[in-house]
Amino acid sequence: GESVGLHLPTLSVQEGDNSIINCAYSNSASDYFIWYKQESGKGPQFIIDIRSNMDKRQGQRVTVLLNKTVKHLSLQIAATQPGDSAVYFCAEISYNQGGKLIFGQGTELSVKP
Amino acid sequence: NAGVTQTPKFQVLKTGQSMTLQCAQDMNHNSMYWYRQDPGMGLRLIYYSASEGTTDKGEVPNGYNVSRLNKREFSLRLESAAPSQTSVYFCASSEVRAGTEAFFGQGTRLTVV
Repeated sequence: GESVGLHLPTLSVQEGDNSIINCAYSNSASDYFIWYKQESGKGPQFIIDIRSNMDKRQGQRVTVLLNKTVKHLSLQIAATQPGDSAVYFCAEISYNQGGKLIFGQGTELSVKP
Repeated sequence: NAGVTQTPKFQVLKTGQSMTLQCAQDMNHNSMYWYRQDPGMGLRLIYYSASEGTTDKGEVPNGYNVSRLNKREFSLRLESAAPSQTSVYFCASSEVRAGTEAFFGQGTRLTVV
């Protein structure tokens, strides 16, 4: 059902620290899990994805971890910078449902200089 | 290369009025999506289209209709607008064969009074 009036959870970190953003997903049959970044007033931007048969994937300054046992996804950002301040969303896609792309709850990351 | 273009960017409607939100992509993508994002919330899938000629309901389809006019264009219609449909609407497109990345438009901010 709808969650009216809820606000996004917030993570506040110091510049240079590592950030960990967590997400719980619902569909065990999803083919890929994805992280998006959304800056104020803009549409979401793709960061990194991980296939459902993988546990870990690394990108530039980012690492995604997938724990299928507890349906948990995390995004680690190394040496967080002020430009990383944004809302981060996890998403999942199912190709047997025609590429249905569903977003999870976001987390607002605030980086203090 | 414009990516995903949405029109209009802003719209105010009176309760009961109808309107169509337009979306076009120039990346030759097969999949297109419509989402709504309420303040401080995540993105909820309204409808999606896996390919030209097909459309499927998402999480919150009630009160909306869509048309996949051709491969480039995917429109969203509100037949009788309600205040509960006040939101920011995002269109996105992706290509399964190229990966999971979806490209988003800049959004349409709709207010129903």
